[in-house]
Amino acid sequence: EVQLVESGGVLVHPGGSLRLSCAASGFTFSTYTMNWVRQAPGKGLEWVSYISTTGTVYHSDSVRGRFTISRDNAKNSLYLQMNSLRDEDTAVYYCARGQVGSSYVIFQHWGQGTLVTVSS
Amino acid sequence: DIQMTQSPSTLSASVGDRVTITCRASQYISNWLAWYQQRPGQAPKLLIYKASSLESGVPSRFSGSGSGTEFTLTISSLQPDDFATYYCQQYNSYSWAFGQGTKVEIK
Repeated sequence: EVQLVESGGVLVHPGGSLRLSCAASGFTFSTYTMNWVRQAPGKGLEWVSYISTTGTVYHSDSVRGRFTISRDNAKNSLYLQMNSLRDEDTAVYYCARGQVGSSYVIFQHWGQGTLVTVSS
Repeated sequence: DIQMTQSPSTLSASVGDRVTITCRASQYISNWLAWYQQRPGQAPKLLIYKASSLESGVPSRFSGSGSGTEFTLTISSLQPDDFATYYCQQYNSYSWAFGQGTKVEIK
């Protein structure tokens, strides 16, 4: 069974930094694209970051230059380094896996999410 | 960037009703469109990919259609589990945007 378990969400002050982790199991992690998607309280879904199986990364305009996605295939883990955090980054952050054999940015499996709150 | 617009934003329906949600893309996206269901307090779940392909394990009462810029999600006979928010998402090109969501409520 595919499992994605996010961790690292906490209350942080504006301007602060945070690193989110996603532990993957139940599939061959290195062969799938991975993503972070967020959802602000009471709002819709927003794609944040993507990393391919070969390490190609994309970030949304709203986080580019502040957030960095990475992966450690030996540890079956996905990460999101978040710097210069702003109030508007407050959201539940979901780890989401792509489809088998596809490099497209589509989200076949999702974790349960971790809440990041940015507030003074 | 491509913008995705769903309609309606909210839909009130009864168990057994046929429900249709529309999603429009601001530019041509071929059939690179997915639909997700999100129940309150839960993570989203993939229902449909490539506009009309049913994800494994998803009930056949869900169907998708369309190509180019206009797409629909249809639930043929609404069930109690289907009261949720539905999102479309284009994956043709950056920025892989979602629609704003359609909340399906109990009438």
